[in-house]
Amino acid sequence: NAGVTQTPKFQVLKTGQSMTLQCAQDMNHEYMSWYRQDPGMGLRLIHYSVGAGITDQGEVPNGYNVSRSTTEDFPLRLLSAAPSQTSVYFCASTINNRVKKLFFGSGTQLSVL
Amino acid sequence: DAKTTQPPSMDCAEGRAANLPCNHSTISGNEYVYWYRQIHSQGPQYIIHGLKNNETNEMASLIITEDRKSSTLILPHATLRDTAVYYCIVRAGGSGNTGKLIFGQGTTLQVKP
Repeated sequence: NAGVTQTPKFQVLKTGQSMTLQCAQDMNHEYMSWYRQDPGMGLRLIHYSVGAGITDQGEVPNGYNVSRSTTEDFPLRLLSAAPSQTSVYFCASTINNRVKKLFFGSGTQLSVL
Repeated sequence: DAKTTQPPSMDCAEGRAANLPCNHSTISGNEYVYWYRQIHSQGPQYIIHGLKNNETNEMASLIITEDRKSSTLILPHATLRDTAVYYCIVRAGGSGNTGKLIFGQGTTLQVKP
């Protein structure tokens, strides 16, 4: 198993550009989530999904969209990037929403200029 | 969710036991204690979790006080590779919970030679 795979590892955007951060898992996990981590801070939950076709907002959802059309994939879309979205983004998954043992990807470092 | 309090930083000598405390005085009866760690620039890694009883696995031991208001994560023989930020998280279990794990600032553990 590859586990949780995030692409790209690094990305630089200009203000106003849009892009999609990809997240895929091959463990047949129902639950997937996105976190962001700013320098010197803990992780903050952006969006999560308890299964295909179901998504919900976390602590800091503004400026981000998600969809879950398949069990394996949970992309995070930035519609109009802003410098405040400069951060490291982590995708995580687990078997289902009752199990809190999350498996994390290696992260995407995003810079918005 | 119960709030957790951890010291911002701790040092430990290599080969010695590292004892990381966490206070969760407002914990409810159905809330579990989870520990994760984050080695620099990597995604967080699950360590251990427990409800009432002490728990041990290949990575660490978790000691929860009888009143459940605090807990201690023990790394029995710390190595330089254990240098990381350690997060203590309290979260309710059960199917009614949508699996959101909220990470705080954690404790930065520095293992020294």
